[in-house]
Amino acid sequence: GQNIDQPTEMTATEGAIVQINCTYQTSGFNGLFWYQQHAGEAPTFLSYNVLDGLEEKGRFSSFLSRSKGYSYLLLKELQMKDSASYLCAVCSLADKLIFGTGTRLQVFP
Amino acid sequence: GAVVSQHPSRVICKSGTSVKIECRSLDFQATTMFWYRQFPKKSLMLMATSNEGSKATYEQGVEKDKFLINHASLTLSTLTVTSAHPEDSSFYICSARGVEDRLYNEQFFGPGTRLTVL
Repeated sequence: GQNIDQPTEMTATEGAIVQINCTYQTSGFNGLFWYQQHAGEAPTFLSYNVLDGLEEKGRFSSFLSRSKGYSYLLLKELQMKDSASYLCAVCSLADKLIFGTGTRLQVFP
Repeated sequence: GAVVSQHPSRVICKSGTSVKIECRSLDFQATTMFWYRQFPKKSLMLMATSNEGSKATYEQGVEKDKFLINHASLTLSTLTVTSAHPEDSSFYICSARGVEDRLYNEQFFGPGTRLTVL
């Protein structure tokens, strides 16, 4: 079966660092995406990993371990505007995106 | 680039009516479009995959006669919710993937359509 797990909610303080974990079990793997979604809006692309390791892009980094079925999204120097849902999605061999439950992050001043 | 639009952004209708939602790729040709629905505080659930010029492929549990999908051109796909009922109220989001081998098979998402059925 297909299963993608993320924590439901997280809180953090402005300026801090937060790590959002994602574990997956899917039939086929063609890369893992992280999206940010504000309430009532469409998801926006943050990162993509297909090989093991860390991808860094500004304040956001994403890590992948295919052997462990594990990824994380790291957000540094948190800002209030980073309060949103963060969606982990695995691209299956059929090129379909399978989304995790999403993690709602609240950043407090 | 890679902009996807949806219309309407919000629709309220009476139970029993049909509602059509349009998804357009504005600056690229999309061979494949995907339709998702999202319930409040939940993640996106893939409903169907739409390929230009062919029948849509529906995910398990999605009624194809209820949710009609037409991908008539490389820039337009439509989702029609037929005989809508209150339980069909949801946030419907489309995404599109380009003809060329774009960034990592990336899907570009539309802004979503909020459907409320009274």
